[in-house]
Amino acid sequence: GDSVTQMEGPVTLSEEAFLTINCTYTATGYPSLFWYVQYPGEGLQLLLKATKADDKGSNKGFEATYRKETTSFHLEKGSVQVSDSAVYFCALRADNYGGATNKLIFGTGTLLAVQP
Amino acid sequence: KAGVTQTPRYLIKTRGQQVTLSCSPISGHRSVSWYQQTPGQGLQFLFEYFSETQRNKGNFPGRFSGRQFSNSRSEMNVSTLELGDSALYLCASSLTTVSYEQYFGPGTRLTVT
Repeated sequence: GDSVTQMEGPVTLSEEAFLTINCTYTATGYPSLFWYVQYPGEGLQLLLKATKADDKGSNKGFEATYRKETTSFHLEKGSVQVSDSAVYFCALRADNYGGATNKLIFGTGTLLAVQP
Repeated sequence: KAGVTQTPRYLIKTRGQQVTLSCSPISGHRSVSWYQQTPGQGLQFLFEYFSETQRNKGNFPGRFSGRQFSNSRSEMNVSTLELGDSALYLCASSLTTVSYEQYFGPGTRLTVT
């Protein structure tokens, strides 16, 4: 079945460091890919998305490119801030070949801790 | 525009009891999905509703059920609670069944003792 694998955390960085969180997926067809962020005590917020191969999603300095050849959707940011400390989830929505669903399959989440 | 509202935010129940959680989606949104979040299993899809119809269901026992009302508000029910049901239950709303934008509520933290 469809699945998402993302790197184990925690990831600890100093402020202004470069961030990469790896995400790979297994799915048939052409799934849509997402990154969500969860701050302590809150629900999930959509950070960025990509709906087809080679799309680049971007938001708040974060970027991720949908790579079908490597089935990857790695999250990057050039200079992290303390306020970026949170749990980041990679997710996919399956290509349902005409069916319709909002069902998301999530990775296990990666805790990012940014130190001043 | 008000966000997704979930009530209650925190709940403590005893094994064997049942519980009902509520989710009010963003105004105008007709699709509601539910997820269970635990440290061991992560985020797992429970079910999805659109226009009062269940469109998709995850791999959970029949003790987990849900429904959606004509105003798009949704409830989920867990009967005969087990310790393993302790989790954060998240609700997400979206306009339709193929929306790229899903908005999550803050969740209901259920503790089963």
